[in-house]
Amino acid sequence: QKEVEQDPGPLSVPEGAIVSLNCTYSNSAFQYFMWYRQYSRKGPELLMYTYSSGNKEDGRFTAQVDKSSKYISLFIRDSQPSDSATYLCGGSNSGYALNFGKGTSLLVTP
Amino acid sequence: DGGITQSPKYLFRKEGQNVTLSCEQNLNHDAMYWYRQDPGQGLRLIYYSQIVNDFQKGDIAEGYSVSREKKESFPLTVTSAQKNPTAFYLCASKGPEAGYTFGSGTRLTVV
Repeated sequence: QKEVEQDPGPLSVPEGAIVSLNCTYSNSAFQYFMWYRQYSRKGPELLMYTYSSGNKEDGRFTAQVDKSSKYISLFIRDSQPSDSATYLCGGSNSGYALNFGKGTSLLVTP
Repeated sequence: DGGITQSPKYLFRKEGQNVTLSCEQNLNHDAMYWYRQDPGQGLRLIYYSQIVNDFQKGDIAEGYSVSREKKESFPLTVTSAQKNPTAFYLCASKGPEAGYTFGSGTRLTVV
């Protein structure tokens, strides 16, 4: 079993919709959680970085971590066609490498 | 600007040949990582290094080798023992506080 599970999608939404992307993880030692956006044939770029449980907001993006249920979420408000990409979630504990989910493919249609 | 540079962007390997992928960072990060990405597989960890002259195997290290002689550099060699090397290879680094920073990747194809 992978330590981080993520529905690969694809997920298709109309422009302006609220997008909810989710992951579950199994390693209770994870303390750091990250969301990356990856466009086709490019390297992943960091969207959100959170430590432990709680919410973090940055513009149209909100990341949530619930350590009690081992659940990670990313919400995108007012989605745009430029948000169409693959979104990768990941978790790690201090000093260890980041474990990734398989990524969710998102398509925002005009 | 600080960042990670991977080269080459595209690489072709013949059967039985070793090839080396370059990864250089000017972020002054101690930790560096190599991931492999295949369609539908997500990112899988090959090797990582938390400090110069030290590195550890990841989940899929067989057929790969690395070195970490300088803080800035973490090259990955894909050896002839790696039977299915065609993939997108990503190098990353991490500082003490921030998330991981990735390079733009090297696409390796066996010909």
